[in-house]
Amino acid sequence: QKEVEQNSGPLSVPEGAIASLNCTYSDRGSQSFFWYRQYSGKSPELIMFIYSNGDKEDGRFTAQLNKASQYVSLLIRDSQPSDSATYLCAVRYFNKFYFGSGTKLNVKP
Amino acid sequence: DAGVTQSPTHLIKTRGQQVTLRCSPKSGHDTVSWYQQALGQGPQFIFQYYEEEERQRGNFPDRFSGHQFPNYSSELNVNALLLGDSALYLCASSPNGDRGLSTIYFGEGSWLTVV
Repeated sequence: QKEVEQNSGPLSVPEGAIASLNCTYSDRGSQSFFWYRQYSGKSPELIMFIYSNGDKEDGRFTAQLNKASQYVSLLIRDSQPSDSATYLCAVRYFNKFYFGSGTKLNVKP
Repeated sequence: DAGVTQSPTHLIKTRGQQVTLRCSPKSGHDTVSWYQQALGQGPQFIFQYYEEEERQRGNFPDRFSGHQFPNYSSELNVNALLLGDSALYLCASSPNGDRGLSTIYFGEGSWLTVV
């Protein structure tokens, strides 16, 4: 069974701060890595994905991948109250996606 | 360009009944996957359909079955419903042959409550 682990939180940060969300995965054969945001009562929406070691930036979001450590992170700069949601880490292994249970982020005004 | 569409959005069923959920994939996508998301958990893979056949399956009992139609749309059927089947059911579509590098796109989901 492929495991994807996330701290359930909640992670609380003040508005304007950097939020750091972390995820570890068990299978070294995993091919690509995804971050989804899920508001309460809604379906997950894709924030960004990464498949090469290093950093990938998209606006206020930066995904970081370290395959040797089997570690993925998401940084949210200038956090806004609208960023308050559950963030799901997903790992793709061939045609299947494995999800963590998510980290709940609270951004306080 | 329509995204992934699912129906119904909410439904309530009684234990022992059967339910059918429907999904139309994003335009240009031919692969449909179904996920179950229980409250407070991440989505769990149920199965995937491609070319009208079940290509992969997660750890779900045979009560969960599906179908894919020639237009790539799909159905998820659950028989003999249990209280524990109450969850958000998500359909996701993706293009085939992407060498594992593309993402999946979720529909808005179908909320199933079993009473």
